[in-house]
Amino acid sequence: DTGVSQNPRHKITKRGQNVTFRCDPISEHNRLYWYRQTLGQGPEFLTYFQNEAQLEKSRLLSDRFSAERPKGSFSTLEIQRTEQGDSAMYLCASSLAGSEAFFGQGTRLTVV
Amino acid sequence: AQTVTQSQPEMSVQEAETVTLSCTYDTSESDYYLFWYKQPPSRQMILVIRQEAYKQQNATENRFSVNFQKAAKSFSLKISDSQLGDAAMYFCAYYEGDSSYKLIFGSGTRLLVRP
Repeated sequence: DTGVSQNPRHKITKRGQNVTFRCDPISEHNRLYWYRQTLGQGPEFLTYFQNEAQLEKSRLLSDRFSAERPKGSFSTLEIQRTEQGDSAMYLCASSLAGSEAFFGQGTRLTVV
Repeated sequence: AQTVTQSQPEMSVQEAETVTLSCTYDTSESDYYLFWYKQPPSRQMILVIRQEAYKQQNATENRFSVNFQKAAKSFSLKISDSQLGDAAMYFCAYYEGDSSYKLIFGSGTRLLVRP
């Protein structure tokens, strides 16, 4: 499968725990995005990488959230001290400059 | 700030009929892109159609076409000959290009297709 891959697909965690999600973009794509989608809403932008550089971060990305993309390949999104309000679908997308974004299937996080 | 509004939370269409999904947006920019994405239940979002703002001609992809009204900031999606597989959430999205990088999505329209 050469699409965008996200792991895990589902994550249930207790409030206060840390979680980490992984995204493997399409191999030649240099742009990578993270979005958050809550029930009944459209995705909201969280952050953007061009290669390994994090070029844009949303105000939604509080200091409990951190994202990395070492060596411009896969990316991780970590949430520290999770809260119930963090429950959502976390979507990753990748693209080449000037082309459409391809989305992964997402990681559904449930904080209990 | 740019915003995208989809005023139809849910639409229903009979199989083989035509349906139009509405989208309006707000921007002060003249160059941008507009997209319709489809998100089937528990499946990934896929691009249905894109429109560059500088193009006057409306985009068409097989059974999917758009009505792009730049002055009115309106971007509707028409689905002809609706099929059961068209049932999904549809999101309208705005992209400014390399000045911003991010897609701004509307809240979505759930499309139901009746057999």
